[in-house]
Amino acid sequence: QQPVQSPQAVILREGEDAVINCSSSKALYSVHWYRQKHGEAPVFLMILLKGGEQKGHEKISASFNEKKQQSSLYLTASQLSYSGTYFCGTESGAAGNKLTFGGGTRVLVKP
Amino acid sequence: GAVVSQHPSRVICKSGTSVKIECRSLDFQATTMFWYRQFPKKSLMLMATSNEGSKATYEQGVEKDKFLINHASLTLSTLTVTSAHPEDSSFYICSARAGFSGNTIYFGEGSWLTVV
Repeated sequence: QQPVQSPQAVILREGEDAVINCSSSKALYSVHWYRQKHGEAPVFLMILLKGGEQKGHEKISASFNEKKQQSSLYLTASQLSYSGTYFCGTESGAAGNKLTFGGGTRVLVKP
Repeated sequence: GAVVSQHPSRVICKSGTSVKIECRSLDFQATTMFWYRQFPKKSLMLMATSNEGSKATYEQGVEKDKFLINHASLTLSTLTVTSAHPEDSSFYICSARAGFSGNTIYFGEGSWLTVV
């Protein structure tokens, strides 16, 4: 089952902050975050693993609440390059292996 | 980060013909590769999971005989769209991971397929 992302879209001014949420109805093993620019493939941002380990971009932060099966991605002091569509992908179960993606959050950062 | 290469990036084919898309992991051995399809302004829809040396696992609703997936080696997986129709036109993206759950999954550049 597809995780649910919110909001669907957000418009920011350069320097502003935003939070993108991802929630699942299943117990999660890991959450993966990607950003996709129009016409391009998704680019890896971060993984959050059950148990607290994180791997990813130094300037991107995220949280993972295992009990609530939710993750949030924090865009801090946004830059124009942050524009794009953000997807969360979730692995479920003890060893999910495959990623199921949310519907995406379109972010537009304006000067 | 790791590099996954996908080829061709764009392909146009005639209805009824078959087209093959390749996905290669360039600097790591991919135990698992995934094939996705994406419609404009929509999310990534998983089509199948491909494990080296074994048959692909297809998602519900994906026709196995139409979308043939082969994972011949630890660095190469191919998707063949057989007897293509205009409704098969889409953006197809592969991804690959080294190891198993919890490891980073990297995406290829994607392939735009247009069936005329």
